[in-house]
Amino acid sequence: GAVVSQHPSRVICKSGTSVKIECRSLDFQATTMFWYRQFPKQSLMLMATSNEGSKATYEQGVEKDKFLINHASLTLSTLTVTSAHPEDSSFYICSASAARGRLETQYFGPGTRLLVL
Amino acid sequence: AQSVSQHNHHVILSEAASLELGCNYSYGGTVNLFWYVQYPGQHLQLLLKYFSGDPLVKGIKGFEAEFIKSKFSFNLRKPSVQWSDTAEYFCAVSPLGNNRLAFGKGNQVVVIP
Repeated sequence: GAVVSQHPSRVICKSGTSVKIECRSLDFQATTMFWYRQFPKQSLMLMATSNEGSKATYEQGVEKDKFLINHASLTLSTLTVTSAHPEDSSFYICSASAARGRLETQYFGPGTRLLVL
Repeated sequence: AQSVSQHNHHVILSEAASLELGCNYSYGGTVNLFWYVQYPGQHLQLLLKYFSGDPLVKGIKGFEAEFIKSKFSFNLRKPSVQWSDTAEYFCAVSPLGNNRLAFGKGNQVVVIP
C-alpha cells in the first residue's frame, strides 16, 4: 500500500515553455503533498507543501509564480514549472501523507527528471 | 530552520561487515527523525522513524538507529550488511508537529559480495 506515482518520469523541453508534473497517491487519500527538488549529488530540498483545497505554502527562496502548485483533489497534486529555463533543470520529487498538520509518514514518488534546453 | 549533516558520502564495505552511518542535526526544539533508503532505480522508502519513547528504534531489513538527544544525533546501524543493502541512505528531520522534512545529503553505500 501507500503508492505514489509521478508523471512524466522525464521530460525535455525548450527554454520558455511550461511543464506540468503530476503526483498521484494511488491507494490512499493524501491530504498533504510535498514537492522537493534534488540537484546532482545534493540532498532533497523542500520546495512547497500543499494541502488539498488550499493554497500551497512555499519555502523561502522558492518563487511561487514560477512553480505553480495545485492540489485539487485528495489524490492529485500538480507542479507547473512556468517559463522554464536551463537552471530549472533538476530532479523533482513529490511525496504524500494522509494527515494534515499531524505528523504522518510521507510516501515518495519516483521523481521526474526535467531537462530544459 | 533545521539542518542535517551526513558524513562520508561514499561508503564501500564487504558483505557481513557492520555498517554505521552518522546523522547530526541542528535545531533548537523537539524533532522527529527519519532514515530513508533509495535502492538503485527505485524511489525513497522509509527505513525507520523516531517520534518519541525508546531512543533505540528498529526498522525494516535489520536496521536500527539510536537517537542521542545530547549529541543531536540519529545514527543508523546494521550489524551485518548484505549485497542487497547497496543503496543511498538519507537522514531527515522535521520539527515536532510539523511535517516539513529537511534531508541530509545522503550516504552512497556499496556492499561488495
